Amino acid sequence: GENVEQHPSTLSVQEGDSAVIKCTYSDSASNYFPWYKQELGKRPQLIIDIRSNVGEKKDQRIAVTLNKTAKHFSLHITETQPEDSAVYFCAARKSYNTDKLIFGTGTRLQVFP
Amino acid sequence: GAVVSQHPSWVICKSGTSVKIECRSLDFQATTMFWYRQFPKQSLMLMATSNEGSKATYEQGVEKDKFLINHASLTLSTLTVTSAHPEDSSFYICSATGGADTQYFGPGTRLTVL
Repeated sequence: GENVEQHPSTLSVQEGDSAVIKCTYSDSASNYFPWYKQELGKRPQLIIDIRSNVGEKKDQRIAVTLNKTAKHFSLHITETQPEDSAVYFCAARKSYNTDKLIFGTGTRLQVFP
Repeated sequence: GAVVSQHPSWVICKSGTSVKIECRSLDFQATTMFWYRQFPKQSLMLMATSNEGSKATYEQGVEKDKFLINHASLTLSTLTVTSAHPEDSSFYICSATGGADTQYFGPGTRLTVL
């Protein structure tokens, strides 16, 4: 079955710096890769997603890149702010017969003012 | 945007009792709903996939007789934790999709079993 690995598990950056979180997946048939942000005790919120027919997608300070050959995708946050502090989860979904998402283990991002 | 609600937001129960958690899609019809369990500082673990009008599909290792799922309509799915024990204490989160890629999550239910 699909397996998603996520690194690093924790990440501390200074306000204004960039943060990068990386995920690798095992199933080459996966075709949809969302990123969720979860604040403590709250629901996961979709922040950006990418489909397998696209190599990069950007939304203001957030961008995601996808390398299908290497089966990895990354989240990039530029000009980080303290309110970016949260746990970020990547996920991957197979293309056929399921809407199931397989989640990575999460990255706790701390942005220090 | 799509909104998913969950009720209750928290519940405390005695060991051996059953607890029902509701998940509703408020402004769209959810063809599929998912139930996750999340332990502190851990990832989301998929428990089961629920489609309206059919039996839920459980993930390996999840007891279907203990975690009863009913998806009675396109806007409501329920999870009943039967004969709850302290080890069932966790954060239970549902999500819903209307047929497109995006899963929208509910706010979660914190279950504490004494």
